[in-house]
Amino acid sequence: KAGVTQTPRYLIKTRGQQVTLSCSPISGHRSVSWYQQTPGQGLQFLFEYFSETQRNKGNFPGRFSGRQFSNSRSEMNVSTLELGDSALYLCASSLGADITGELFFGEGSRLTVL
Amino acid sequence: AQRVTQPEKLLSVFKGAPVELKCNYSYSGSPELFWYVQYSRQRLQLLLRHISRESIKGFTADLNKGETSFHLKKPFAQEEDSAMYYCALSTSYGKLTFGQGTILTVHP
Repeated sequence: KAGVTQTPRYLIKTRGQQVTLSCSPISGHRSVSWYQQTPGQGLQFLFEYFSETQRNKGNFPGRFSGRQFSNSRSEMNVSTLELGDSALYLCASSLGADITGELFFGEGSRLTVL
Repeated sequence: AQRVTQPEKLLSVFKGAPVELKCNYSYSGSPELFWYVQYSRQRLQLLLRHISRESIKGFTADLNKGETSFHLKKPFAQEEDSAMYYCALSTSYGKLTFGQGTILTVHP
């Protein structure tokens, strides 16, 4: 079966702009989580959506937001970009039924903010 | 707040030698722990989870609640085990707290 797909894979933005990243989960998965990966902070949880509802949120400013559609596809948006937002953004999908479930990760979207 | 610590950023062993990647956690609740692995040019993937108590690719990990540890072990390392390994703690749906990761290099 097809894995988690993230688009775009690479993008360059300038400070102050906004960006939208997309994630298509594995068919049948209703949960989508987003993570930010940087060399300094490692992998950090952003938020998780299940059936179009945000169930969990990490410790990121309100400039980071997301949503999930009825087909379980998810988008995350970062507004008013800062240099520190440069990172690899990973999406992961799962069945979402319990906290011991396996997360399936995408290849990520690498964002560079100039 | 929960925390996962992997004290070794880099770990090098020779093929056939035993390997142990250390992981310690801090969490007040009942921990659900995982090891994820990222091989070169591949996406992050699950290696094993403590609840399954299974051995994957020869790796095992035992949860020690007294020492708050979940170390990953393999008796005989192989070159194909070279990768980045992350210990992770799940505290809610889709929410993993990751350690900083350990790069394992297995030399021939």
